[in-house]
Amino acid sequence: DTAVSQTPKYLVTQMGNDKSIKCEQNLGHDTMYWYKQDSKKFLKIMFSYNNKELIINETVPNRFSPKSPDKAHLNLHINSLELGDSAVYFCASSTRDEQYFGPGTRLTVT
Amino acid sequence: GIQVEQSPPDLILQEGANSTLRCNFSDSVNNLQWFHQNPWGQLINLFYIPSGTKQNGRLSATTVATERYSLLYISSSQTTDSGVYFCAVYYGRRFGAGTRLTVKP
Repeated sequence: DTAVSQTPKYLVTQMGNDKSIKCEQNLGHDTMYWYKQDSKKFLKIMFSYNNKELIINETVPNRFSPKSPDKAHLNLHINSLELGDSAVYFCASSTRDEQYFGPGTRLTVT
Repeated sequence: GIQVEQSPPDLILQEGANSTLRCNFSDSVNNLQWFHQNPWGQLINLFYIPSGTKQNGRLSATTVATERYSLLYISSSQTTDSGVYFCAVYYGRRFGAGTRLTVKP
């Protein structure tokens, strides 16, 4: 069983479109995250939720809106996509100390 | 904010060699993790090690929190060890830029 899953794995879309990425974890963790990994492999935290409550919001444009319907799910909605949004987006969940990552979603904006 | 620096940025080894990867951080931390991103992009949790030493097979890690560094040791490297190794502090809020390891057969 996959611990942290994301859909879709690949997403190709045009500038200006709106898209969503879904994340689910079956580890029973209270905390979930979204990260962006750019083309140079640099990983940057975007958001963190604890028990459906937003606890970290790291200077991310407000075109990005996370939504946590329950503590096992954290979805990422992106409005008005821009070329610079092209990246790999990782979802993760954690115990108090250790994080576990999903497989990533490669977003390409053309 | 806290700065995390990893060295070396790139490392090429022959299979069977040993290596040491370093992670320096600019402030005291009570949370440090090492991850391996394999060539297929998957991020794998290697160690949670805020202090002390841990070992898992051919890999071991040591963190000296008072001196603000952590080391990841890879012994008898294999081609499957290739990829990028990241350290992260402060509950995943800050990642280093990574060390790209290539192990040649």
